[in-house]
Amino acid sequence: TQLLEQSPQFLSIQEGENLTVYCNSSSVFSSLQWYRQEPGEGPVLLVTVVTGGEVKKLKRLTFQFGDARKDSSLHITAAQPGDTGLYLCAGVYNFNKFYFGSGTKLNVKP
Amino acid sequence: NAGVTQTPKFRVLKTGQSMTLLCAQDMNHEYMYWYRQDPGMGLRLIHYSVGEGTTAKGEVPDGYNVSRLKKQNFLLGLESAAPSQTSVYFCASSYDGQLYEQYFGPGTRLTVT
Repeated sequence: TQLLEQSPQFLSIQEGENLTVYCNSSSVFSSLQWYRQEPGEGPVLLVTVVTGGEVKKLKRLTFQFGDARKDSSLHITAAQPGDTGLYLCAGVYNFNKFYFGSGTKLNVKP
Repeated sequence: NAGVTQTPKFRVLKTGQSMTLLCAQDMNHEYMYWYRQDPGMGLRLIHYSVGEGTTAKGEVPDGYNVSRLKKQNFLLGLESAAPSQTSVYFCASSYDGQLYEQYFGPGTRLTVT
C-alpha cells in the first residue's frame, strides 16, 4: 500500500499545453518535496514545501501544499520537451522517514 | 566534489549469493538513505542512518542489512539474494531529515537470477 498516491501515472502532452500532477495521502506530513528523475539517473530536488497552504513558484512550475498538509500539486504552464521525465513527490513522515509516491511519467512532444 | 557515489553500477547475482553495495558522500552529511526503485512503485526506503554508528529500518528492510562505520560511507548488504531483490538501488544523503534536499547517487542496477 502506497502512503502517497500520485496521479496520473502517465501523461503525454503537446508542447505548450498546461498540466497538473497530484500527490495525495491520508496522513499528515511535516514537509513534502517534489523531485524530477531522468532515465538512468537519481532524482533531483525541485522544491520543498513545509507550511499548509504554501504555494511556491519555480519559473513555469507552481507547487502547492494542501491546507491540511496531506496533499500537494505540481502545475506546469506551457510545457516544453525539456520537462519530460518522472516526477516524484516525497513526504516526510514522523521525521527522518521519506515516503515517495509511485511517480508521474511525463512526455512532452514537440 | 563528487557528491554521492555508488559502487558497483551493475551487478548480476545468483539466488543465495551475497553482496555489499557501497555508498560514499563527500558533503559531510549526517543523514544517509538506501532506497530501491521498482517499476510503478516509486522509491521505497530500505534503511537509513541519522549519523555515524546509527542505523534504522525503513519501509522495506527485510533481507537487507546496513552499516555506517564512517560518516561518509553507508553500506547495504544482501546476505542471501532472492529474485524479488532485483531492482535499482539508490543511495542518498542529506544535511537533515526533513527540510533539506536529498542528494542521490546514480544508482546500482541489481539482477538476481
